[in-house]
Amino acid sequence: DTGVSQNPRHKITKRGQNVTFRCDPISEHNRLYWYRQTLGQGPEFLTYFQNEAQLEKSRLLSDRFSAERPKGSFSTLEIQRTEQGDSAMYLCASSAGWNRGEQYFGPGTRLTVT
Amino acid sequence: AQSVTQLGSHVSVSEGALVLLRCNYSSSVPPYLFWYVQYPNQGLQLLLKYTSAATLVKGINGFEAEFKKSETSFHLTKPSAHMSDAAEYFCAVSGTTSGTYKYIFGTGTRLKVLA
Repeated sequence: DTGVSQNPRHKITKRGQNVTFRCDPISEHNRLYWYRQTLGQGPEFLTYFQNEAQLEKSRLLSDRFSAERPKGSFSTLEIQRTEQGDSAMYLCASSAGWNRGEQYFGPGTRLTVT
Repeated sequence: AQSVTQLGSHVSVSEGALVLLRCNYSSSVPPYLFWYVQYPNQGLQLLLKYTSAATLVKGINGFEAEFKKSETSFHLTKPSAHMSDAAEYFCAVSGTTSGTYKYIFGTGTRLKVLA
């Protein structure tokens, strides 16, 4: 068990460019979450997958954001036409089972939009 | 609706002193509660969790927390602070009627340990 991994760890992009982040959850975990954390704040929920199905999206997830989890394994989060307000740490977490088990977090991807 | 309030965005303690980080929650369903620690430029590491069993929960690194339903609190304590405890601590609640079990986090408390 190597834990949750995220790539890249850091991304600097110019405003208007598209970016894509990847999350590899713990292999047997069927639940996958994306959160966004801005400076001085707690993480905020973005979206949730159960296996390959995206079952909930936050109102924070504007139409410029899209997430996928093909085959219920890794997940990608894409931001189109990035804005400076998108600068944040994007955290991925996974959990197992059908109850309210604890979530295991990856190291995050820090996005800076210039 | 669920929410978490962490009182005190910054807490300073002397090395060896008691650590007390406060967390109050609001939940319309029986809550599951968690404390996580975050070191700079890293993800979140689980310290401990309350899942409706024992109200006094022991976690890693000597931390513990007590669930008090009457006070809607889940404060984190450690009898003796160590320099390595300096980090940001987040309280989170899980348990929604939607079934996603997403976390609602507090705004965090940055703990500083003074030599």
